[in-house]
Amino acid sequence: DAKTTQPPSMDCAEGRAANLPCNHSTISGNEYVYWYRQIHSQGPQYIIHGLKNNETNEMASLIITEDRKSSTLILPHATLRDTAVYYCIVRVEVGGNTPLVFGKGTRLSVIA
Amino acid sequence: KAGVTQTPRYLIKTRGQQVTLSCSPISGHRSVSWYQQTPGQGLQFLFEYFSETQRNKGNFPGRFSGRQFSNSRSEMNVSTLELGDSALYLCASSNPMGQIEETQYFGPGTRLLVL
Repeated sequence: DAKTTQPPSMDCAEGRAANLPCNHSTISGNEYVYWYRQIHSQGPQYIIHGLKNNETNEMASLIITEDRKSSTLILPHATLRDTAVYYCIVRVEVGGNTPLVFGKGTRLSVIA
Repeated sequence: KAGVTQTPRYLIKTRGQQVTLSCSPISGHRSVSWYQQTPGQGLQFLFEYFSETQRNKGNFPGRFSGRQFSNSRSEMNVSTLELGDSALYLCASSNPMGQIEETQYFGPGTRLLVL
């Protein structure tokens, strides 16, 4: 079972920031938070991941709370092409052969 | 770098047949994982291969099998197809560095329809 909880759906106006929350209250100290997204019928696309520090790349920013029990993925200027299902996943990175365990994710609709 | 490629992209089979799907990982990546995605069960892990050895396996029947070649390319096979095997089959590659598992990158998937 997925170790994360996400809202099933969210809307965002085009050009605004999209803030996608994720709860992972049982996360272990050696588990990373990963975000992927899946645009309709395509393979999941890696977005970003982090352990405890906030991370930023060309696609998004990841904000992890100090207690690591929740995180927020931020798409700073959402476009229509960001409409997708976003998955938050916790995963051991060091010493594991662990697969990705996907939950139901959040369906983000970007509206013009 | 070219991404993960999967062939074929679409496939139609009938019940009882068998099917082989192929995955070519990103150049230099040595680990290949397979996932099945259905509307009812979502994305589920099938198995993972690293250096031609299956390292991890999900909860699927023995009809689902795979292998990996010396060039890291991987195939998965489903025998005695059932209607419920209709799904999007996804392959992901990564390059584990010792004990550290690197990020998995997915291919576009093979959509299998079983009639």
